[in-house]
Amino acid sequence: ETGVTQSPTHLIKTRGQQVTLRCSSQSGHNTVSWYQQALGQGPQFIFQYYREEENGRGNFPPRFSGLQFPNYSSELNVNALELDDSALYLCASRQTRSTDTQYFGPGTRLTVL
Amino acid sequence: QQQVKQSPQSLIVQKGGIPIINCAYENTAFDYFPWYQQFPGKGPALLIAIRPDVSEKKEGRFTISFNKSAKQFSLHIMDSQPGDSATYFCAASYSNAGNMLTFGGGTRLMVKP
Repeated sequence: ETGVTQSPTHLIKTRGQQVTLRCSSQSGHNTVSWYQQALGQGPQFIFQYYREEENGRGNFPPRFSGLQFPNYSSELNVNALELDDSALYLCASRQTRSTDTQYFGPGTRLTVL
Repeated sequence: QQQVKQSPQSLIVQKGGIPIINCAYENTAFDYFPWYQQFPGKGPALLIAIRPDVSEKKEGRFTISFNKSAKQFSLHIMDSQPGDSATYFCAASYSNAGNMLTFGGGTRLMVKP
């Protein structure tokens, strides 16, 4: 176990709805990244937060947004859900943004109907 | 420029065999190359990682071979066991981009008893 926790485990939403996913980073880690993993594919980087500020973003539209809180936990928000948003959403934490090693949580499986 | 290409997509070996998974990258700025193991319904778990200043790294039954001039790296699993059956992902990142990971497409490994 990495010490990174995510909630909920599974979620079913309908197209057009909004969703919030949550992540608690490993103790002592101040940098959190979010990845989207479609079925049968490798994870794709969404964005990263360092000390409550967005610190890098992948090729995802603005309807994907996030937050990081003073305790370094994080949220991923997705507005106007589309069918293609169905995926496993992974949170990864690391000690600081200059640290290489990232530890992943178990993920949240989002299904959009 | 950001791609990491992984092969094969799937691999079947007998117990005790040595599966080899290969990855190739394009961006010469990459300076950190981890391998992750993922079981169904779980998040990726870090197995082993290498930097470009060494050509080989061993940790237990897992070995990374790195060829900087060819921009290729590979994972070897010695004395493979049925419990090694999982999906393996190579990845790459570079410190000047905040260490965001770019993943390969994954290799589904099955080790037959």
